Amino acid sequence: DTAVSQTPKYLVTQMGNDKSIKCEQNLGHDTMYWYKQDSKKFLKIMFSYNNKELIINETVPNRFSPKSPDKAHLNLHINSLELGDSAVYFCASSQELGREVETQYFGPGTRLLVL
Amino acid sequence: AQSVTQLGSHVSVSEGALVLLRCNYSSSVPPYLFWYVQYPNQGLQLLLKYTSAATLVKGINGFEAEFKKSETSFHLTKPSAHMSDAAEYFCAVSGGSQGNLIFGKGTKLSVKP
Repeated sequence: DTAVSQTPKYLVTQMGNDKSIKCEQNLGHDTMYWYKQDSKKFLKIMFSYNNKELIINETVPNRFSPKSPDKAHLNLHINSLELGDSAVYFCASSQELGREVETQYFGPGTRLLVL
Repeated sequence: AQSVTQLGSHVSVSEGALVLLRCNYSSSVPPYLFWYVQYPNQGLQLLLKYTSAATLVKGINGFEAEFKKSETSFHLTKPSAHMSDAAEYFCAVSGGSQGNLIFGKGTKLSVKP
């Protein structure tokens, strides 16, 4: 069973489009995250979210918005896509928000290419 | 603020040789440190983590890391490299109340036959 899954695995789209990436975890975790990995493999947090709190990295443009229909899902919506949004996006989950010792479990990534 | 620095963006070893991947951290509080591995076109998998219980941490696939407070280091080692160890390795520190991980820039490990 896949613990953290993402769809789609690959996404190729045109500049200006709106797209969504879905993430689901079956670990019963309370907290989910979105990370962006750029072309140089550098990983950076975008959002941390549980049912009580959304923490947004201040460098993330407001074209990006996380949406959580329930505890097991955290989808990433991106409006007006730009060339610089091309990257690999990873979803992750952990048991609790704010417990630094928690292990985060990562999904396989979604490779977004904006043309 | 917490940060990690990985020395060497690319490390190449021969099969059977010692693997040493370096990570230094900066933290104003006792850190929680992690090593993750990313195989080509895959997600990140936890290798091991330091949670202050023991300074020498053993992980999966024969890897281990030693926390040295005096050196602010958490280097990853494996006595004998296998071809299957070729991957990107990331050191990370827990970022505080936000719960997120702060990653180093990664070290790509190549293993030569």
